[in-house]
Amino acid sequence: GDSVTQMEGPVTLSEEAFLTINCTYTATGYPSLFWYVQYPGEGLQLLLKATKADDKGSNKGFEATYRKETTSFHLEKGSVQVSDSAVYFCALSGKAAGNKLTFGGGTRVLVKP
Amino acid sequence: NAGVTQTPKFRVLKTGQSMTLLCAQDMNHEYMYWYRQDPGMGLRLIHYSVGEGTTAKGEVPDGYNVSRLKKQNFLLGLESAAPSQTSVYFCASSYSPGTGDQRSEAFFGQGTRLTVV
Repeated sequence: GDSVTQMEGPVTLSEEAFLTINCTYTATGYPSLFWYVQYPGEGLQLLLKATKADDKGSNKGFEATYRKETTSFHLEKGSVQVSDSAVYFCALSGKAAGNKLTFGGGTRVLVKP
Repeated sequence: NAGVTQTPKFRVLKTGQSMTLLCAQDMNHEYMYWYRQDPGMGLRLIHYSVGEGTTAKGEVPDGYNVSRLKKQNFLLGLESAAPSQTSVYFCASSYSPGTGDQRSEAFFGQGTRLTVV
């Protein structure tokens, strides 16, 4: 079945540092790929998405490129802020009925001033 | 526009008690989902629905039941709560007919923190 593997955290960074969170997936066909972010005490919010190979999703300075050849969707940000401290989830939606999302385990990111 | 609303936000149950979690969405979405979130395990799908009157099992359905009598509501029931069901529960919805993209963004509620003692 479908699966998503992302790097374990926590990841601790200083403000303005470069952030990368690795995400790889296993799925049949051509899934859509997502990054969701969860701020403390809140639900999940969509950060960015890509629906086909070589698509680049971007939002709030974050970027991720759909790489079918390496089945990866790594999240990057060039200069993090304290407000980026959150848990980040990589997810995919396959072709199965119902758009069901399969999530990775989440990566907690802590940005220190 | 409220989006996805879950009630209650917090609940403590004794082992063996029952309860129902309510999810309501006002976006005319066809699909609705219940997930549970446990430390280090991400979100796991409990049950989902692809339309009014339909339900299907997800990855971890045991001990839970659901109903989708109205398009905007999706109820999650625990008939006899167990400590293993202590978790944070999230409801989500997606896909508006006519938008053209069947794999559209899922919108999440704020979560229900359930503790079973």
